[in-house]
Amino acid sequence: AQKITQTQPGMFVQEKEAVTLDCTYDTSDQSYGLFWYKQPSSGEMIFLIYQGSYDEQNATEGRYSLNFQKARKSANLVISASQLGDSAMYFCAMREVFVTDSWGKLQFGAGTQVVVTP
Amino acid sequence: EPEVTQTPSHQVTQMGQEVILRCVPISNHLYFYWYRQILGQKVEFLVSFYNNEISEKSEIFDDQFSVERPDGSNFTLKIRSTKLEDSAMYFCASTPLRGGGTEAFFGQGTRLTVV
Repeated sequence: AQKITQTQPGMFVQEKEAVTLDCTYDTSDQSYGLFWYKQPSSGEMIFLIYQGSYDEQNATEGRYSLNFQKARKSANLVISASQLGDSAMYFCAMREVFVTDSWGKLQFGAGTQVVVTP
Repeated sequence: EPEVTQTPSHQVTQMGQEVILRCVPISNHLYFYWYRQILGQKVEFLVSFYNNEISEKSEIFDDQFSVERPDGSNFTLKIRSTKLEDSAMYFCASTPLRGGGTEAFFGQGTRLTVV
């Protein structure tokens, strides 16, 4: 079964607008972490933001914020004031902490391709 | 800022050849990982390594793959006899803790092309 689901394969957004990238997850673990990564066309994985399952506040990092709704098992990324340099693939990922056979690996969603237009 | 370093950045190899992908994790990290990303697809877990042994591996990580930490600083992924379908971006990652830490530190990746 899919642990991380990103339902939007691609999105266009205008410069200076905000965009929300959807991510839902599936886990029975009580303790887990949720991550968002940006992958530009050059291929590297750039860490953007982290949310722990016990964190009560939504995480924010500059123009990135994570809309964490634990009961709905969703962890959407919001990018405010989009810039042309935000054009990239965005991946949501989860790390389970106490699942027996999980040694801290990240499980990734399929990604959302974001294109920012002038 | 500490970083994970991978070499080479690109590697082209003939089918059937052995390749070794190298990674230098962050020095005080204890858990090491390899991931693979076939072009246009999602990132897939291959293997995790702790205390000089494999702690977990995926079904992708078959007998053609092996990992090693030969000298306390490098962490290598070996593919014994490469196949066309091994063409992918390979990422190394390290973390200080098994389940904790607010970031998994990824290297910049090695793009492997099997011809």
